[in-house]
Amino acid sequence: DQQVKQNSPSLSVQEGRISILNCDYTNSMFDYFLWYKKYPAEGPTFLISISSIKDKNEDGRFTVFLNKSAKHLSLHIVPSQPGDSAVYFCAASEYTSGSRLTFGEGTQLTVNP
Amino acid sequence: KAGVTQTPRYLIKTRGQQVTLSCSPISGHRSVSWYQQTPGQGLQFLFEYFSETQRNKGNFPGRFSGRQFSNSRSEMNVSTLELGDSALYLCASSFTGTATTNEKLFFGSGTQLSVL
Repeated sequence: DQQVKQNSPSLSVQEGRISILNCDYTNSMFDYFLWYKKYPAEGPTFLISISSIKDKNEDGRFTVFLNKSAKHLSLHIVPSQPGDSAVYFCAASEYTSGSRLTFGEGTQLTVNP
Repeated sequence: KAGVTQTPRYLIKTRGQQVTLSCSPISGHRSVSWYQQTPGQGLQFLFEYFSETQRNKGNFPGRFSGRQFSNSRSEMNVSTLELGDSALYLCASSFTGTATTNEKLFFGSGTQLSVL
């Protein structure tokens, strides 16, 4: 039972354009959502998060949008840079579950110069 | 300050053997979680330890176990290895183990386990 799904295994965009990564979830108890970025041979690093009481959170070039009614969140990267090329994981948690995160399968983003 | 350190980086074992992986959290962090990453499966939660006690457990068989020491360092053990246990095992640490706005998980680089 995949509670968090990233339906696009890969995404390719041109440098300077917008990258949009999508994530869907099924568990209505999730109240906190995160995006992690992972380079090869490294562990995932935290990128940005959003609480279920918000619908948008921005941090520099990165913006996460949450649509609770659709159980959908997205990560926008504007403008995209070649250094953004990595695997992006969407994750979700319930407050009562502590540090237990439920991850999606990941999306490989490639930003072409 | 030093990040999360996992040893060894790579391991090759054969079916039926057992293996122990080690994780040293960031200084001051008391929560250590373990995740398994396999291709196309994302990261699957194994278990979490806080103050030497297992606080949360994922849906993995009993062959997967762990422990945490008084200095917060953690070990994960897999007994009777199977081919399907080949994966990247990631350790993450945080202060209190609560995924909130003010607390984040910091991951190590992982141990790549290959079972032949």
